[in-house]
Amino acid sequence: DIQMTQSPSSLSASVGDRVTITCRASQGIRNDLGWYQQKPGNAPKRLIYAASSLQSGVPSRFSGSGYGTEFTLTISSLQPEDFATYYCLHYNGYPWTFGQGTKVEIK
Amino acid sequence: QVQLVESGGGVVQPGRSLRLSCAASGFTFSSYAMHWVRQAPGKGLEWVAVISFDGSDKYYADSVKGRFIISRDNSENTLYLQMKSLRHEDTAVYYCARESWGSDAVDIWGQGTLVTVSS
Repeated sequence: DIQMTQSPSSLSASVGDRVTITCRASQGIRNDLGWYQQKPGNAPKRLIYAASSLQSGVPSRFSGSGYGTEFTLTISSLQPEDFATYYCLHYNGYPWTFGQGTKVEIK
Repeated sequence: QVQLVESGGGVVQPGRSLRLSCAASGFTFSSYAMHWVRQAPGKGLEWVAVISFDGSDKYYADSVKGRFIISRDNSENTLYLQMKSLRHEDTAVYYCARESWGSDAVDIWGQGTLVTVSS
């Protein structure tokens, strides 16, 4: 099974900061990688699919990059509504696997 | 609008069974693969199972294989998860989710239903 290692597990940042979250796959997964945002008490929301494609309706300050085993989610200028937990998900064959999550907190 | 609504959660004793349902609306349910994903209290997301658009293919996480069965009724636009031999570690919010067109992971999620396994 493919393992997804996400880092950091948490970070503190200020409004306006640039934030980067990384996911590493235990083997190559092409670009079969999505990023999700989850706020407390809510279902996850897809931000990025195919490693770098922005979900319709998601602000352009979110971007994704990577291919193979290394992937990055970047928030170019953190906004108050972006404080949440973020997960990567590989879908390159079953079983799918989520990263452990990154909690983005207010500094 | 596109919507998924789960139901069937509750408190159940270890070793017992429970069936979750997910009612779909606002899209052609029979054209999409569907998934179950769960989240234990305070923990991360765990993929559980998938069923193809026509029900012919099913895959499961190792943690539930042999105990859980995913199924669907396309005439009723409903997805199911039959859970047997429940364990304490199955306690979680269970989400149903639609696989996006083009098979780029899941794009639509339900609000989730809580299953608590406790004696």
